[in-house]
Amino acid sequence: AQTVTQSQPEMSVQEAETVTLSCTYDTSENNYYLFWYKQPPSRQMILVIRQEAYKQQNATENRFSVNFQKAAKSFSLKISDSQLGDTAMYFCAFFDAGNMLTFGGGTRLMVKP
Amino acid sequence: EPEVTQTPSHQVTQMGQEVILRCVPISNHLYFYWYRQILGQKVEFLVSFYNNEISEKSEIFDDQFSVERPDGSNFTLKIRSTKLEDSAMYFCASREGEVELFFGEGSRLTVL
Repeated sequence: AQTVTQSQPEMSVQEAETVTLSCTYDTSENNYYLFWYKQPPSRQMILVIRQEAYKQQNATENRFSVNFQKAAKSFSLKISDSQLGDTAMYFCAFFDAGNMLTFGGGTRLMVKP
Repeated sequence: EPEVTQTPSHQVTQMGQEVILRCVPISNHLYFYWYRQILGQKVEFLVSFYNNEISEKSEIFDDQFSVERPDGSNFTLKIRSTKLEDSAMYFCASREGEVELFFGEGSRLTVL
């Protein structure tokens, strides 16, 4: 079974600063997908960014980018120029050939004005 | 933009009662999921559903749980005899052939 670990239960960042959220995972598979989902308070989870394991290039979506280290099984999320609307729970997730999405425990991010 | 919708948004029930949570996945999606999130804890997989049958289920998804796609649009989760520990947020999700899951806003279940 796959496991996903987010070691930072809570983080805070000043508006306009950069913050990095950590995620590690454990798997014996070679082909898989990794995701970061954002869950604003009382709202559904929405996809922030995804990474295919077979791609060496790190994914980027506007202010969001990842540092994918396949050998280390690490998948961190960097948020640049943090905005108040980035305040949310962030979940790292692993999608495998079994068609199942496994979540980490989440990191609560607070962006302070 | 198409979205996954869930009803009710909040349900309060007595222990031992049956509960049905409803989901309308995105119309052209083929894979359906239920997840739950106990307050303050991680999001846990319950079950996945494809081609009108369960494709995967977790240890949590025991005999008191069942899923159904009764009419080609709804996807329901039934909890036959609720327990206090079933209190959680239940999320429905769907996907097409692609790997991205689209989530609903969740149904909060409170068991008293």
